[in-house]
Amino acid sequence: SAVISQKPSRDICQRGTSLTIQCQVDSQVTMMFWYRQQPGQSLTLIATANQGSEATYESGFVIDKFPISRPNLTFSTLTVSNMSPEDSSIYLCSVDGTGNNNEQFFGPGTRLTVL
Amino acid sequence: KNQVEQSPQSLIILEGKNCTLQCNYTVSPFSNLRWYKQDTGRGPVSLTIMTFSENTKSNGRYTATLDADTKQSSLHITASQLSDSASYICVVSGKSTFGDGTTLTVKP
Repeated sequence: SAVISQKPSRDICQRGTSLTIQCQVDSQVTMMFWYRQQPGQSLTLIATANQGSEATYESGFVIDKFPISRPNLTFSTLTVSNMSPEDSSIYLCSVDGTGNNNEQFFGPGTRLTVL
Repeated sequence: KNQVEQSPQSLIILEGKNCTLQCNYTVSPFSNLRWYKQDTGRGPVSLTIMTFSENTKSNGRYTATLDADTKQSSLHITASQLSDSASYICVVSGKSTFGDGTTLTVKP
């Protein structure tokens, strides 16, 4: 299994500012995933972050809005830039389990409210 | 288009009762189907994982079934407890496709 922590757990931000969310995993992983969960909805993949290369973004998400860093195999950050109220969501970090059990582990999430 | 549809959207049951949640999918190619439990304000936690060849998988009071021919899955919860109140999410891979979840409320 993998234990994932995120910081901050929640934040309230002003429109136009940026917030960086940190994700720490207790083991080395190749890929880390960032998801957004808007109120009342399920998870939507924002991007996949590999160590040593640029993140791969899903349709509808761009690097200028959601820059991602992946400095090593246990850590990643997601920045939500120039925030608007529409960015109010839960942001979740996720990793695949090691081995062949097809497991996927999620962090506790960061609840963001933009005023 | 790959889709995962869950029903019902929400469900209220009394403590001790059983319930069944449904998941229909059109995801292709199929790799596995996972059920997650997401408590309010928390990240999803895995309940079961099933590959194409598996028809049923249990985890305590949770039993998932999979019919790969009809592309349907169900999650059966036995003898529900108040702590079962959560959102239950069905995820189908190839590329992980998430259902919108079923919100379950267990009342005393």
